[in-house]
Amino acid sequence: EPEVTQTPSHQVTQMGQEVILRCVPISNHLYFYWYRQILGQKVEFLVSFYNNEISEKSEIFDDQFSVERPDGSNFTLKIRSTKLEDSAMYFCASKLQGDQPQHFGDGTRLSIL
Amino acid sequence: AQSVTQLGSHVSVSEGALVLLRCNYSSSVPPYLFWYVQYPNQGLQLLLKYTSAATLVKGINGFEAEFKKSETSFHLTKPSAHMSDAAEYFCAVSDQRGFKTIFGAGTRLFVKA
Repeated sequence: EPEVTQTPSHQVTQMGQEVILRCVPISNHLYFYWYRQILGQKVEFLVSFYNNEISEKSEIFDDQFSVERPDGSNFTLKIRSTKLEDSAMYFCASKLQGDQPQHFGDGTRLSIL
Repeated sequence: AQSVTQLGSHVSVSEGALVLLRCNYSSSVPPYLFWYVQYPNQGLQLLLKYTSAATLVKGINGFEAEFKKSETSFHLTKPSAHMSDAAEYFCAVSDQRGFKTIFGAGTRLFVKA
């Protein structure tokens, strides 16, 4: 069965540095998402992307965050200047169409030092 | 605006006993509802979904959930718990556009031998 793949599985970055988290969604999917999960807390919606543009974003997704689908296969999340509180598990998800469920990757654990 | 409330951050059952995980939602539009399971250090796996068809939804691993509009509930049940069911369970709601999915805080299920 096709999977959403995320790389790296664990990223360690110094505070203030830029980080890019990478995702390869399922190939024929049209909707793309990023979520984060701070350790021991709920899964929080960050952003959705459809038709080559952001379709919705949460209040967490401020100017420090950006997303891109540069080449039709990858879907990236960039954090420009990381803060300690950005430490979390980041999940990418994709789905085919509106009434279908999202398929999640296994996540990237981001640790900010 | 949409929201999800999961009653009980921890539920403990004996192996073979009924599993009942509670979820109430709030939505100003007809919702899509989902249950996901998360095993340690893994992403979220879909258990089942409600998208305005049958109100009793059957999912994987013997789980099912019933959509009750009058109670704004979507509780997850399984007749007989197995040790392998021990995990974190998340209820989620989205609108029919599917651009944003809101997750509940999660319920950790413990299964005692």
